[in-house]
Amino acid sequence: EIVLTQSPGTLSLSPGQRATLSCRASQTLSSSYLAWYQQKPGQAPRLLIYGASIRATGIPDKFSGSGSGTDFTLTISRLEPEDFAFYYCQQYGYSSITFGQGTRLEIK
Amino acid sequence: VQLVQSGAEVKKPGESLRISCKASGYSSVNYWIGWVRQMPGKGLEWMGRIDRSDSYTTYSPSFQGHVSISLDKSISTAYLQWSSLKASDTAMYYCTRQIDYYYMDIWGKGTAVTVSS
Repeated sequence: EIVLTQSPGTLSLSPGQRATLSCRASQTLSSSYLAWYQQKPGQAPRLLIYGASIRATGIPDKFSGSGSGTDFTLTISRLEPEDFAFYYCQQYGYSSITFGQGTRLEIK
Repeated sequence: VQLVQSGAEVKKPGESLRISCKASGYSSVNYWIGWVRQMPGKGLEWMGRIDRSDSYTTYSPSFQGHVSISLDKSISTAYLQWSSLKASDTAMYYCTRQIDYYYMDIWGKGTAVTVSS
């Protein structure tokens, strides 16, 4: 099983700042199989990025994804209050899908 | 385009349960329905998926043999079923529109399952 490790566990930033979230895989991934989700308390997750860098429908361009191999990054520029939430990366490998443990993005 | 899940359930250990996920607003496109578990205060876990075209299923090794995923194409409804619930099955369960193994682009609002004696 491929394990995804997200860092940091919690990221404390202020509105207007830039957030950089990391997702590291235990084995090399195809970029096609790396996605990012946002989840706010009491809500279902929402797809942000797929294929490592492709924004999902309706996702503003302040969200961007990058990376390849084992290291992937989600960047959120110009944080707004509604961006403070949990973020999860997700991959497919060895016939199964796994998620990272999540990063909590909180207001400083 | 949405996935409508059945309502919250409260069950006792050992009881059986089937929760549902009805898809609406879709054209006949090749996609799957996936199920994701989120235990209280925890992260997301993929459980498995079913192919809408032929009802072929794949399960995560962590859930294989513990749950069953099925589909009634005539009413565009997928199901997640347990034959004997445990307290550790207490969680929120989300159904998703899964695009192959790439990503999950549409999520239901979730069904909360509580298993307690």
